[in-house]
Amino acid sequence: QQPVQSPQAVILREGEDAVINCSSSKALYSVHWYRQKHGEAPVFLMILLKGGEQKGHEKISASFNEKKQQSSLYLTASQLSYSGTYFCGTENSGNTPLVFGKGTRLSVIA
Amino acid sequence: DAGVTQSPTHLIKTRGQHVTLRCSPISGHKSVSWYQQVLGQGPQFIFQYYEKEERGRGNFPDRFSARQFPNYSSELNVNALLLGDSALYLCASSLGWGQANEKLFFGSGTQLSVL
Repeated sequence: QQPVQSPQAVILREGEDAVINCSSSKALYSVHWYRQKHGEAPVFLMILLKGGEQKGHEKISASFNEKKQQSSLYLTASQLSYSGTYFCGTENSGNTPLVFGKGTRLSVIA
Repeated sequence: DAGVTQSPTHLIKTRGQHVTLRCSPISGHKSVSWYQQVLGQGPQFIFQYYEKEERGRGNFPDRFSARQFPNYSSELNVNALLLGDSALYLCASSLGWGQANEKLFFGSGTQLSVL
């Protein structure tokens, strides 16, 4: 079951904050976040496991709400280097493959 | 250390032809997954192999097949190519399989164009 990401696209000025959401209609085992720059491979950002934990990576953090079956990625004080497409990938159990959402295109402008 | 390497980087084929894409995982990684990414969409899961055995298969026709070799490298084969097979094919490796904290490390992909 493909997770749903929102928004589809967002434009930010440097220093602004953004939130990207990822939701699933099925119970989640884990949520993975990746960033893909144009013409490049997706790059791993972080994994969140059941338990509602929050993780951080530079000024990028994420939360996982198991009950709501959703995860949110928080980008604070955005930098030009944050531009790219952000994908969430979800697992419904330990032995199921990672299923990616359609992505959120983030553009940070000066 | 080398990352995930894929070959070729670009490929142009005509309808009905066959194609083989290759992937070498990061040293020490025993699992390889294949994804198809159409422009503007997220990667779509095709196959996952771990210890040379298929561990997962996505919703793709039987024209798609794959295998993993004893050195953990992998091949993705697509027969009877259709125009709709045009996409970026990504290979990702991970240490193992079945654990929630398995990070995927992606290669740069093979851009396949079917004319």
